[in-house]
Amino acid sequence: EAGVVQSPRYKIIEKKQPVAFWCNPISGHNTLYWYLQNLGQGPELLIRYENEEAVDDSQLPKDRFSAERLKGVDSTLKIQPAELGDSAVYLCASSLYLGRVSYNEQFFGPGTRLTVL
Amino acid sequence: GIQVEQSPPDLILQEGANSTLRCNFSDSVNNLQWFHQNPWGQLINLFYIPSGTKQNGRLSATTVATERYSLLYISSSQTTDSGVYFCAVPFTSGTYKYIFGTGTRLKVLA
Repeated sequence: EAGVVQSPRYKIIEKKQPVAFWCNPISGHNTLYWYLQNLGQGPELLIRYENEEAVDDSQLPKDRFSAERLKGVDSTLKIQPAELGDSAVYLCASSLYLGRVSYNEQFFGPGTRLTVL
Repeated sequence: GIQVEQSPPDLILQEGANSTLRCNFSDSVNNLQWFHQNPWGQLINLFYIPSGTKQNGRLSATTVATERYSLLYISSSQTTDSGVYFCAVPFTSGTYKYIFGTGTRLKVLA
């Protein structure tokens, strides 16, 4: 079974440029997460999708960040324009979410390391 | 919101040594995950353990949900065990999302 796929693995851009990250979750997983991980810290949730619906985007800086999950499968996270402080690792995860008290194991992709110069 | 703290923050071991990593959380939870983030940044699932004890090779984990902590045991450590270990618990007030602990950075010396 294939794991969570992300691309690109690395991206270097200059500030004010746009950038996009792509994620393909594990087949059959209805829930997709985008996390931000700064150096030396744990991942922090940016946005969570259940199927096509963004059910939690409270931590997403909406002035420059946007995300979409077409047809409830693949997802794209975009930053426009990028700032120096956006340099971090962007992680995608997926799970089969069946309710708050149900089994809900998350699986992570390899991440995209973004460097903004 | 729920607070998740891990200890120790850093750990250096000689190959072959045993260690115990701890995860404390401030509220009751109905599941918990342990991850190993390798030096290349990949988060690897170790255990999904809402309660009780599980073992997988040299690693085992115990969660005592009523006392709000979980332990990860590494026996006969190897250099490939190096990396950062995270625990994560769900925050279910309002929405449902995982909150990650502060991590334990482990370095195993040959």
